[in-house]
Amino acid sequence: EVQLVQSGAEVKKPGDSLRISCQASGYTFSTYWIAWVRQMPGQGPEWMGIIYPGDSDTTYSPSFKGQVTISADESTNTAYLQWSSLKASDTAIYYCARLPGYHYHMDVWGQGTKVTVSS
Amino acid sequence: IVLTQSPATLSLSPGDRATLSCRASQSVTSRYLAWYQQRPGQAPRLVIYTASNRAPGIPDRFSGSGSGTDFTLTISRLEPEDFAVYYCQQYGSSPPWTFGQGTKVEV
Repeated sequence: EVQLVQSGAEVKKPGDSLRISCQASGYTFSTYWIAWVRQMPGQGPEWMGIIYPGDSDTTYSPSFKGQVTISADESTNTAYLQWSSLKASDTAIYYCARLPGYHYHMDVWGQGTKVTVSS
Repeated sequence: IVLTQSPATLSLSPGDRATLSCRASQSVTSRYLAWYQQRPGQAPRLVIYTASNRAPGIPDRFSGSGSGTDFTLTISRLEPEDFAVYYCQQYGSSPPWTFGQGTKVEV
């Protein structure tokens, strides 16, 4: 069964760093793109960026470029989303999702990681 | 590309037909448009891709149509589990691949 399992909920303070994860199973991790999607409370999804684990080719939305870092580790079939300095406005649920190709839909989604940033 | 979904809320009953609209600010290349369903507290789930292709496991009461700038998701006869929020997303342009703001289908 194809699955993306994300790390658990996080509660952080402004200025903290954070890395959340998305572990894939049931398919060849290196040959599918992984996207990260933000969903703020009561809002629709926002596309943040994608990575191709096979060569770490990464594309960011201009809205998120410089604010987050997307990475992947083929040895553990895991993609990551990280922040060096969180803001309260980063409070959201973050989803990873698989894409069968570059200009493709997201066919499998992780369960989401809730990130709360509050002083 | 900006996607505008209408209506924001659709109030219907089980057994009714639901018609959801997604309009793009520019033509969507190669009909690269998807629809996702999101139930409360759950992750989005792919329903339709490339405008009219049903994702695996999606019942045939769901259908998608459209091209260019106008796309439609139709649910022929609503079942109780279909009451949810539906988002369209385009992935034909250069990134970012944007989502619409959603249509809530409620009882």
